[in-house]
Amino acid sequence: EAEVAQSPRYKITEKSQAVAFWCDPISGHATLYWYRQILGQGPELLVQFQDESVVDDSQLPKDRFSAERLKGVDSTLKIQPAELGDSAMYLCASSPLEANTEAFFGQGTRLTVV
Amino acid sequence: GENVEQHPSTLSVQEGDSAVIKCTYSDSASNYFPWYKQELGKRPQLIIDIRSNVGEKKDQRIAVTLNKTAKHFSLHITETQPEDSAVYFCAARSGSNYQLIWGAGTKLIIKP
Repeated sequence: EAEVAQSPRYKITEKSQAVAFWCDPISGHATLYWYRQILGQGPELLVQFQDESVVDDSQLPKDRFSAERLKGVDSTLKIQPAELGDSAMYLCASSPLEANTEAFFGQGTRLTVV
Repeated sequence: GENVEQHPSTLSVQEGDSAVIKCTYSDSASNYFPWYKQELGKRPQLIIDIRSNVGEKKDQRIAVTLNKTAKHFSLHITETQPEDSAVYFCAARSGSNYQLIWGAGTKLIIKP
């Protein structure tokens, strides 16, 4: 069964350092989402791609976060510099282009900033 | 943009009883409404979804209802079991920009 792949699973970094997460969506899925989930809360949309184009990044803290999906396939989310408040689970999800279809989630990357 | 509100934030029910979680949405263009179950430390898993052209969908002990006029949808779990304990999230996806916006979650506790 096809899955959304994310790496790394866990990352510990010191504040002010740079960190990057990678996501490989299910083959053929045009839509890719990056979410941040703080423990005890619902996923917060950071950025949404349609193929290689950003559809929505209104909640992305652009002074320190960046995301790209250059070839419309896999995607990278970067934080530089990391802050203590960035500690969270970062989830990637993908779905086909059709609006009324399921979004499939990767295992997530658990980030701890110390 | 879309805004999804979910209630209650915590729900405690006796094993065997029913549980109901409610969500409201703001964007009339939303046409897809999934429900996800998330266990501690794991990714969200889809448990049921409903599209805007139907009012109710059922899968064994789980059912979802949708009222498009009122812009609300609900998750119903009957004959609850200990393994139903988890956090449940509703979401709404816009048919115009494909945004998938989530509710804040409901922690469901099944008491033995």
